[in-house]
Amino acid sequence: QLQLQESGPGLVKPSETLSLTCTVSGGSIGTSTYYWGWIRQPPGKGLEWIGNIYYSGSTDYDPSLESRVTISVDTSKNQFSLELGSVTAADTGVYFCARQKEWSASIRYFDYWGQGTLVTVSS
Amino acid sequence: SYALTQPPSVSVAPGQTARITCGGNNIGGKSVHWYQHKTRQAPVLVVSDDSDRPSGIPERFFGSKSGSTATLTISSVEVGDEADYYCQVWDVRSDRVVFGGGTKLTVL
Repeated sequence: QLQLQESGPGLVKPSETLSLTCTVSGGSIGTSTYYWGWIRQPPGKGLEWIGNIYYSGSTDYDPSLESRVTISVDTSKNQFSLELGSVTAADTGVYFCARQKEWSASIRYFDYWGQGTLVTVSS
Repeated sequence: SYALTQPPSVSVAPGQTARITCGGNNIGGKSVHWYQHKTRQAPVLVVSDDSDRPSGIPERFFGSKSGSTATLTISSVEVGDEADYYCQVWDVRSDRVVFGGGTKLTVL
């Protein structure tokens, strides 16, 4: 059974960089047809996609965050990571990592999710 | 940019049928997926590619699409179905994931 687990600081100061890692177990991050993504949920709001990465390192980011986001992958550790720079209180929320399955160029959905980790941006 | 529209809330009594809609421009040409999200839990995929149910999802969960609207239908609703439900597509034009705003299902 595939499992994903987020880890990282729960408190980040404004203007600093939020860094999270997702560790994948029960399967290889280097498998074709799967992308690996980050999604967040601000308090009282809905799910927001941040971005995806393929094991080769190819990335897609949401345009609203693209200037501040970097997603990277470490296949040797079966992990992928998120860095979000210049954070503000608006970046507070629960951050999820997830596996995205690609059936075709137009069919991509998240079939496994981590439990999520709360990150608060505050001084 | 592409957007999906969901009603903020839907309420039904136990045993009744809940219908949660998801609207978007040319949604008929896109593959729609649905997630159930309970508080402090990981979201769960309940329908993929418009109407496919992943293994372990009860037959009470049914996805459909007509015109410019996709619908998640939950029959014989149970108290345990109370959750937020999100629709999602992959926008090929912009290479991005798009989520609907979410619908809170309340079981009265």
